Amino acid sequence: GAVVSQHPSRVICKSGTSVKIECRSLDFQATTMFWYRQFPKKSLMLMATSNEGSKATYEQGVEKDKFLINHASLTLSTLTVTSAHPEDSSFYICSASFAGGPPRNYNEQFFGPGTRLTVL
Amino acid sequence: GENVEQHPSTLSVQEGDSAVIKCTYSDSASNYFPWYKQELGKRPQLIIDIRSNVGEKKDQRIAVTLNKTAKHFSLHITETQPEDSAVYFCAASIAGTASKLTFGTGTRLQVTL
Repeated sequence: GAVVSQHPSRVICKSGTSVKIECRSLDFQATTMFWYRQFPKKSLMLMATSNEGSKATYEQGVEKDKFLINHASLTLSTLTVTSAHPEDSSFYICSASFAGGPPRNYNEQFFGPGTRLTVL
Repeated sequence: GENVEQHPSTLSVQEGDSAVIKCTYSDSASNYFPWYKQELGKRPQLIIDIRSNVGEKKDQRIAVTLNKTAKHFSLHITETQPEDSAVYFCAASIAGTASKLTFGTGTRLQVTL
């Protein structure tokens, strides 16, 4: 159980275009989903926290108009990189937390497989 | 906000030896500390976690210790094997529904034959 998928796994786009990445919790309901960005050989940097039915909370320094997050249901969150530029090239990973309480460990985050974005 | 530091950044051990990775955190309110293993191009996988109401937790060859007073926690891997080679991340958060994690900078562990 607790499987999170991401689509697409890889995407190459031209500079100036927008790219949408989907994050789905396949076998559980996720109250909250998180979006991370990871540069090569670096740690995971939290971009935003997404709660179902409400606006995402962005971390300091993350442009909310550039990285649009939508969490329309308890199993789906999307990240849209708008007007992508080469510096947006990165590995984007989502994670999801359970909606329910004990006995589930509601601190644990379950990660998606990641999406590698390359902007030419 | 929370700040998590992790050392060393790289660690090379011979197969069968032990490996220790250390992390410190800044926010005394943090009380949940997971460790993740990430292989190249893959998702992070939880390998062990600890809450602040215990000082140590063990799962086969992996153990984690926590010193709340000093605000540091460590990952111990015994009898290392080549398949333990990966990047390991520590993290900290405040227990509660869907609290965000703050990650350490990562340790690249290389287990040599």
